[in-house]
Amino acid sequence: ETGVTQSPTHLIKTRGQQVTLRCSSQSGHNTVSWYQQALGQGPQFIFQYYREEENGRGNFPPRFSGLQFPNYSSELNVNALELDDSALYLCASSLIGRTSGRTTYEQYFGPGTRLTVT
Amino acid sequence: DAKTTQPPSMDCAEGRAANLPCNHSTISGNEYVYWYRQIHSQGPQYIIHGLKNNETNEMASLIITEDRKSSTLILPHATLRDTAVYYCIGNSGNTPLVFGKGTRLSVIA
Repeated sequence: ETGVTQSPTHLIKTRGQQVTLRCSSQSGHNTVSWYQQALGQGPQFIFQYYREEENGRGNFPPRFSGLQFPNYSSELNVNALELDDSALYLCASSLIGRTSGRTTYEQYFGPGTRLTVT
Repeated sequence: DAKTTQPPSMDCAEGRAANLPCNHSTISGNEYVYWYRQIHSQGPQYIIHGLKNNETNEMASLIITEDRKSSTLILPHATLRDTAVYYCIGNSGNTPLVFGKGTRLSVIA
């Protein structure tokens, strides 16, 4: 158990709809990263939030957006869902040192949300 | 991030040591070697990381060659619960983790 929780566990949506996924980070962590994992592939980085601001983004279109709240929990929003968005969505929490600006060495992943778009 | 190369799959007998290789010939001086694993349908789990010295923790040992072009993750006494996909990642700590396809380790009774 990493202390990182995600909701919901599973979700089925229709193409064109919008979805919001949620993540609660581990206590003491100030950074949340989101990853998309298609079947048979490794996780792909979507974006990272640090102190409520986007702190890096992977090669994903703007219809993928996010938020981080003062308690460091986070949301991933996907608009205009496409069939290829079907995947396991993972969030990972970590700590960026306020003075060093450096991430701690390990990221702690949640169990993921399985999104199916039909 | 350094690109890593891992065999797609490996088998290991239960109770024996599992030695998982990783090539990372393009790793830069400030990039650590991280290992994560992902058990089926779960989120990845951090195992260990190292820069140039060998490292050991309660889960595994990491052996990094002197030229830092390759490393080996060692699970000393593999159990059925160690069956998972193992990812080797080069990362400086200031960029996102870049996962490849990893090595699918099957521990066989």
